[in-house]
Amino acid sequence: SQQGEEDPQALSIQEGENATMNCSYKTSINNLQWYRQNSGRGLVHLILIRSNEREKHSGRLRVTLDTSKKSSSLLITASRAADTASYFCATDGQPGGTSYGKLTFGQGTILTVHP
Amino acid sequence: DTGVSQNPRHKITKRGQNVTFRCDPISEHNRLYWYRQTLGQGPEFLTYFQNEAQLEKSRLLSDRFSAERPKGSFSTLEIQRTEQGDSAMYLCASGQGHYEQYFGPGTRLTVT
Repeated sequence: SQQGEEDPQALSIQEGENATMNCSYKTSINNLQWYRQNSGRGLVHLILIRSNEREKHSGRLRVTLDTSKKSSSLLITASRAADTASYFCATDGQPGGTSYGKLTFGQGTILTVHP
Repeated sequence: DTGVSQNPRHKITKRGQNVTFRCDPISEHNRLYWYRQTLGQGPEFLTYFQNEAQLEKSRLLSDRFSAERPKGSFSTLEIQRTEQGDSAMYLCASGQGHYEQYFGPGTRLTVT
């Protein structure tokens, strides 16, 4: 079953604009991760945020985590055409839980960045 | 460094045939995962290994599916008596502990 739900399902922006994607999940987590997937390819890990962290940065990426609302957001600043891809959030459950040790993915957000 | 590799990249088979996929993880990673992804969906967990021990199998993994990781290195995923519903991308990932996972390019299976 899908744990995370991404919003929006699709996002279309112009190069240089910022892109924000949101993810909600249902059960308590150990960490939350964001991945990118180019069409028909494998997934590339972008960033991991632990349950006791609230914000994390990596280059043009900014991730926030609100465990009280069970939600996360991914912000890509100054987007480029090369950022066009599907973006997935994935959660790793808490130790001792049924979701511990494996990732549960959402359905993803399709981002299109127009040059 | 060679990342996670998977072979074959594409497989077309007829319903009822058996297929086997191989995954070579990043060498120092002790965990290896298999996921399945259908069009428009996120990957769904199938099974994972810590070293050579298979620690968990999803309910998605029917008795027609079997996975092995002999000697804790490469892994194989076999599907017996394939069905059209098995058509999907099969993704392998490896990792160290409970942190980020590194994915291979996937094997796209088409069952005709």
